Amino acid sequence: GAVVSQHPSWVICKSGTSVKIECRSLDFQATTMFWYRQFPKQSLMLMATSNEGSKATYEQGVEKDKFLINHASLTLSTLTVTSAHPEDSSFYICSARAQQGGGELFFGEGSRLTVL
Amino acid sequence: AQSVTQLGSHVSVSEGALVLLRCNYSSSVPPYLFWYVQYPNQGLQLLLKYTSAATLVKGINGFEAEFKKSETSFHLTKPSAHMSDAAEYFCAVSAAGNKLTFGGGTRVLVKP
Repeated sequence: GAVVSQHPSWVICKSGTSVKIECRSLDFQATTMFWYRQFPKQSLMLMATSNEGSKATYEQGVEKDKFLINHASLTLSTLTVTSAHPEDSSFYICSARAQQGGGELFFGEGSRLTVL
Repeated sequence: AQSVTQLGSHVSVSEGALVLLRCNYSSSVPPYLFWYVQYPNQGLQLLLKYTSAATLVKGINGFEAEFKKSETSFHLTKPSAHMSDAAEYFCAVSAAGNKLTFGGGTRVLVKP
C-alpha cells in the first residue's frame, strides 16, 4: 500500500523553542493532508486540514498561530509547533489522501513530541 | 455532523476466543465507516472500510465488520483472537470521504 512517512519519529525540545514535523507521501500525490493530535490513551483529535497550495483549515479550538501548517507540494506537509510548552507534548499523526485511487487515507507513523 | 461511539474502552479476550468490538455512529449523510488498528507508538493501519457497497466487509488479519443501517452500527469481529491482536482499535466515520471523526478507541488485551 501507499506509504506516508513522518519525521522525526521522536523529538525532545526545550520550552520556548519551535519544532517542525514533516509528513511526506512517498509514492503518491496527496491533494489533502490531515494533522491529528493524540494524548496518551485517548483518541485522535483532528487539528487541521491542509490542501496543497492553500491555507490550512483549523478545527475549532486549535490555535493557528501556535500550530503552523504548510502544504507546499503534493507530497509534503509540515506542522510547526511554535514556542512549544510542556502542554504541547503529544503524539502527532498525519494522514494523506491520495489524489488517485478513490481518495483513500493513509497514515504516517506518528511523531512523539516531548517539551521539557 | 458526525460522531462515533465505541462501547467499552477495554476488552479482554482469551487467545482463540471471539473478538467483538462495538461501534455506533451518527451521520447526517450516508457514511463511510472505517476500522483502524494502532500498535504502541505507531500510526494507524486500516483494517477495513465500508463505502456503501457490501454491508459485510472483510478486512486484513481475519477481521470483518457488518454495516447495519437500522442499528447505526459497524461492529468489528474476529472469530479467533491471536496474541498479535493486542492493540488499540479505532472506529471512524466520514461523510462522503471527507475528514474522519474517530471514536474513543478500544484497547484489546489477549490472554494466553
